[in-house]
Amino acid sequence: DAGVIQSPRHEVTEMGQEVTLRCKPISGHNSLFWYRQTMMRGLELLIYFNNNVPIDDSGMPEDRFSAKMPNASFSTLKIQPSEPRDSAVYFCASSLAEGYEQYFGPGTRLTVT
Amino acid sequence: GENVEQHPSTLSVQEGDSAVIKCTYSDSASNYFPWYKQELGKRPQLIIDIRSNVGEKKDQRIAVTLNKTAKHFSLHITETQPEDSAVYFCAAKSTGGFKTIFGAGTRLFVKA
Repeated sequence: DAGVIQSPRHEVTEMGQEVTLRCKPISGHNSLFWYRQTMMRGLELLIYFNNNVPIDDSGMPEDRFSAKMPNASFSTLKIQPSEPRDSAVYFCASSLAEGYEQYFGPGTRLTVT
Repeated sequence: GENVEQHPSTLSVQEGDSAVIKCTYSDSASNYFPWYKQELGKRPQLIIDIRSNVGEKKDQRIAVTLNKTAKHFSLHITETQPEDSAVYFCAAKSTGGFKTIFGAGTRLFVKA
């Protein structure tokens, strides 16, 4: 298996633009997580899905952030409109089920100017 | 709400010495405690985990201990090597929940 796949790996955009981050979890994994990592705030859980259903989105910072998982093999995290303070590394992770190891993707480094 | 505190935030040791990182958790229902290592510019990766029915687990130079009564768990690295330099995250997850709560991380420097 190729592991968790994320795209793009790097994204540079201007303030106000829409940004869409993509994730393909490991095949057969039922849980998917979106994290944001910054020096100041560390690793923050934004939202997680189980069997494609959002379970907890309490970590989503604002209404500008939205996430979808239309099927078991694809998820998106969208920021609209983007702001400079959204600059961070965004990780997607998946796990087989409850209580199992999370496998992280390579991350997307987002820079909003 | 659930919380995981991790100490120290930075740890510097001499090659060959031991390193200990400590975490406490607030949710008494937590029963799964993974540790992740994140090298500079890379993704977090699981290095060891422990479940609540076990007090200690060891894998070569790495060991984790769990004290459920005190809600403490610790990572021990013996005979540290420069390649152990990274950020280490502890985490806790409770039964019936999918949410894993991460600690703030410990930046470990191993000086050659």
